[in-house]
Amino acid sequence: SQQGEEDPQALSIQEGENATMNCSYKTSINNLQWYRQNSGRGLVHLILIRSNEREKHSGRLRVTLDTSKKSSSLLITASRAADTASYFCLLPRSGGSNYKLTFGKGTLLTVNP
Amino acid sequence: GAGVSQSPRYKVAKRGQDVALRCDPISGHVSLFWYQQALGQGPEFLTYFQNEAQLDKSGLPSDRFFAERPEGSVSTLKIQRTQQEDSAVYLCASSPSGREETQYFGPGTRLLVL
Repeated sequence: SQQGEEDPQALSIQEGENATMNCSYKTSINNLQWYRQNSGRGLVHLILIRSNEREKHSGRLRVTLDTSKKSSSLLITASRAADTASYFCLLPRSGGSNYKLTFGKGTLLTVNP
Repeated sequence: GAGVSQSPRYKVAKRGQDVALRCDPISGHVSLFWYQQALGQGPEFLTYFQNEAQLDKSGLPSDRFFAERPEGSVSTLKIQRTQQEDSAVYLCASSPSGREETQYFGPGTRLLVL
């Protein structure tokens, strides 16, 4: 079954530094989404990238997708304390009649002021 | 009230008790999802509705779990004869149409079974 694996499991950086986290998967996908979860705002959608896209930007966020390596990365530039959260990739099951969507286990990012 | 709402926000149940968790999706959203999230883990898919049709319930852990969305809007997740391992946060999400779109999540219901 499809399961995203994020790495690292945890990441601690200083404010202003960049943070990179990765998501690897096993079977082909139509798209991949990144979500953020913190205690204040719950689970929030960040970016959706489709299989025919290689890179996508949203503010300080940059997502890349390499379908040949079956991996995606999320880069947060100029991090802020407010970026402290868990970050998850969300994968659809490709094709078939199963509508299951799968979150990875997440990367816990701590941004120290 | 433009977002997804869930009630109750917190629920304490005695083992063996039945519980019902409610989700109000964003008005007009076709797709509705339920997830279960244990502490320190990512959300685990439970079930998916497209309007009133439950198209996938493969993630429901046992036949004690039942979900419905009779009129294609509000959904209820019912857990019968709760067990301690059912303790988790239950998240509901909706999306405008297909299952592979952006999902909008509710705040979750934190269930504690004693």
